[in-house]
Amino acid sequence: AQKVTQAQTEISVVEKEDVTLDCVYETRDTTYYLFWYKQPPSGELVFLIRRNSFDEQNEISGRYSWNFQKSTSSFNFTITASQVVDSAVYFCALGNYGQNFVFGPGTRLSVLP
Amino acid sequence: DTGVSQDPRHKITKRGQNVTFRCDPISEHNRLYWYRQTLGQGPEFLTYFQNEAQLEKSRLLSDRFSAERPKGSFSTLEIQRTEQGDSAMYLCASSSNTGDYNSPLHFGNGTRLTVT
Repeated sequence: AQKVTQAQTEISVVEKEDVTLDCVYETRDTTYYLFWYKQPPSGELVFLIRRNSFDEQNEISGRYSWNFQKSTSSFNFTITASQVVDSAVYFCALGNYGQNFVFGPGTRLSVLP
Repeated sequence: DTGVSQDPRHKITKRGQNVTFRCDPISEHNRLYWYRQTLGQGPEFLTYFQNEAQLEKSRLLSDRFSAERPKGSFSTLEIQRTEQGDSAMYLCASSSNTGDYNSPLHFGNGTRLTVT
């Protein structure tokens, strides 16, 4: 069975602080994909990043960076110099070709001005 | 790319009534998914199609729920004899899967169902 855990239910930071959102996954598959989605107050889920299980190279995109560590089954997401517009619920998800996608419970991030 | 479109955006119905939602995926996407999201929770998988074939259904999908994708394009999700516990946001997503490439899900804005 596949499972995604996001232990942080809610996080509040002050603008310009860095924040890391944790994601731990469980799967027996050797090939799988990990995703992060953002759900702003408007409600639509927005795709942020996809990473496959064979690529442990960390990725940076602007203020966003992702740390994938297979040894600890973690795929953490860091926002540098947070902004109010980053306030949203962030979901980590696990997928595999031929199967459905499993989402974590989400972390609500509030960035205060 | 016009994105995933869902209709209606909101639906209020009385307990016991039937409701039907429609989803139009991104045109070149062969996979279509239905998820349900309740307040404060992550999306929960309901079912998915590859082209017109329904490949997997969640145990959450009771016999009151049925989904179709008759021509491999748009899909409908019907809930019969609605119950208050069915109140949720119903999300549709599509993706393109060929070979062993697992593209991300692209979500629509969802249909919010309220059962009174």
